Amino acid sequence: GAVVSQHPSRVICKSGTSVKIECRSLDFQATTMFWYRQFPKQSLMLMATSNEGSKATYEQGVEKDKFLINHASLTLSTLTVTSAHPEDSSFYICSAPDRGMTEAFFGQGTRLTVV
Amino acid sequence: GNSVTQMEGPVTLSEEAFLTINCTYTATGYPSLFWYVQYPGEGLQLLLKATKADDKGSNKGFEATYRKETTSFHLEKGSVQVSDSAVYFCALSGVTAGNKLTFGGGTRVLVKP
Repeated sequence: GAVVSQHPSRVICKSGTSVKIECRSLDFQATTMFWYRQFPKQSLMLMATSNEGSKATYEQGVEKDKFLINHASLTLSTLTVTSAHPEDSSFYICSAPDRGMTEAFFGQGTRLTVV
Repeated sequence: GNSVTQMEGPVTLSEEAFLTINCTYTATGYPSLFWYVQYPGEGLQLLLKATKADDKGSNKGFEATYRKETTSFHLEKGSVQVSDSAVYFCALSGVTAGNKLTFGGGTRVLVKP
């Protein structure tokens, strides 16, 4: 199947700093990518839909100014957590559907810890 | 809106035991249904899927049948192994299969030797 690579897999940052997470589709092009957040022992919640060449679509309750999404090419979407706080600590995971939108492929996830 | 409900864990089993994880859903139209597995420290992997009523998805000894009349997609495996220890997520896609997913809460399964 298709491969989605997410980097970094783990990051620790200080409160107030920004962190960028990259999501790459390695062997296919993805005009759309999805960003999810997973709290400890909870399910994944969709944060936003990343659209190549246009603005991301955010789910209700997600601060777009805090979670900046850029989808600059057909193989790369980035999520930047700005002015991070301890409550932003979580597992962030991206996914990209294949061209036929028949299956979503997930990255390995990024565990963010804000101290 | 769409929603997925699955049984809470953790589920602890002995090797070679039978595993069932219940999943029910609420959706308009005809969603596609999925089971994803998340091994410790890793991302999600698609385990199996079904795109229409009465379809049976199967993979690695796991099976699930899309039951529209009961709005269910229960996951089963006849004989689990220690390597099946993971968190299992039931999910649906309401538009096309690769579109955004609505997940259940996840069920942690621990298989002991």
